[in-house]
Amino acid sequence: KQEVTQIPAALSVPEGENLVLNCSFTDSAIYNLQWFRQDPGKGLTSLLLIQSSQREQTSGRLNASLDKSSGRSTLYIAASQPGDSATYLCAVRYGGATNKLIFGTGTLLAVQP
Amino acid sequence: EAGVAQSPRYKIIEKRQSVAFWCNPISGHATLYWYQQILGQGPKLLIQFQNNGVVDDSQLPKDRFSAERLKGVDSTLKIQPAKLEDSAVYLCASRQDGGEQFFGPGTRLTVL
Repeated sequence: KQEVTQIPAALSVPEGENLVLNCSFTDSAIYNLQWFRQDPGKGLTSLLLIQSSQREQTSGRLNASLDKSSGRSTLYIAASQPGDSATYLCAVRYGGATNKLIFGTGTLLAVQP
Repeated sequence: EAGVAQSPRYKIIEKRQSVAFWCNPISGHATLYWYQQILGQGPKLLIQFQNNGVVDDSQLPKDRFSAERLKGVDSTLKIQPAKLEDSAVYLCASRQDGGEQFFGPGTRLTVL
């Protein structure tokens, strides 16, 4: 069964701290992996997409890494800000016609000013 | 470019009532998805359309849920009758061939 797990479920850090969110998946035959941000009452905003052939992607203060062999991805946020407070979701896409995304349960991040 | 539109944004109903949600995908996106996100969980795919045909509805509770995309553009998702456990956010997403999925703001359903 293809499952995606995220730890921790919740995280609270002071402003300015660097932090790491973790995502693991049971089936390593992925097509790509995507990190999303979800604000309360809002939809999902794509942050980074890593193809299966890539090791990492960077966008501003965000860096996502992918280790297919171990079934893991990490999202690194540098110099966190209160505006980073949100739920972060990891989603894995497997091959095939449906392009279905399988989501983790998310990490709720609170950055304290 | 306009994003994925959904309505209503919020809906409160009593159990055993019916409810319908509407989604307008990004123009030109052939693929449309409906996800259910229960509080504290990640979104779960309910149904996927390619134009007006169903590609995957394996996780759609077909005894009470139905969805259609008659003209290959807008889509509606219906629940009849609703149960307490249907309380969730219903997300619509669309995708252009070869591209990534873009999500709408969702409809938050509360069943009392």
